Amino acid sequence: GAGVSQTPSNKVTEKGKYVELRCDPISGHTALYWYRQSLGQGPEFLIYFQGTGAADDSGLPNDRFFAVRPEGSVSTLKIQRTERGDSAVYLCASSFSPSAADTQYFGPGTRLTVL
Amino acid sequence: GDSVTQMEGPVTLSEEAFLTINCTYTATGYPSLFWYVQYPGEGLQLLLKATKADDKGSNKGFEATYRKETTSFHLEKGSVQVSDSAVYFCALHILTGGGNKLTFGTGTQLKVEL
Repeated sequence: GAGVSQTPSNKVTEKGKYVELRCDPISGHTALYWYRQSLGQGPEFLIYFQGTGAADDSGLPNDRFFAVRPEGSVSTLKIQRTERGDSAVYLCASSFSPSAADTQYFGPGTRLTVL
Repeated sequence: GDSVTQMEGPVTLSEEAFLTINCTYTATGYPSLFWYVQYPGEGLQLLLKATKADDKGSNKGFEATYRKETTSFHLEKGSVQVSDSAVYFCALHILTGGGNKLTFGTGTQLKVEL
């Protein structure tokens, strides 16, 4: 079946602009996660959804970052007033449930470049 | 807080050599441990996992044993191939309260040469 998909694959924007990154999880997966991976680093957790609600948003760096999952499937990560330091690969993952026994499947990522 | 430390790369080996990539962790509670792999141009894929102490995860000839006494989860393979060239990430997972996330190490790049 289809894996996790993310769009766009690449996004170039100017400092101060607003961007939206989209994630389509695997069908039937109730848990959805966003991570950010800077060059040469491992992914860092941003936010986790169980169903439609954000169960843990402790990784969001500041209030410029916001994410939604209104129907419990597709999620959108929104970044306001982008800064050069926001440049990174944004990864989405989904799992059947939040249990550690259920594998988190990752999408290919969206590479965000803020000029 | 929870953290994962893994050996720095790049690690360069000849084909058929023995591989060890060290990983140690710090965690409150009892984490599950994972190795993820990122092949060039591809997304992160789960390689193997272990959910409790003394468990051994294995896949594609790779193995790692969950050692609670040394808080380690070292990745090993007896004979590497050129196709194993990738970046390997050690990670832990703890489900506590409302939190549910993977905490990753910084990754170790492996290059296997003929």
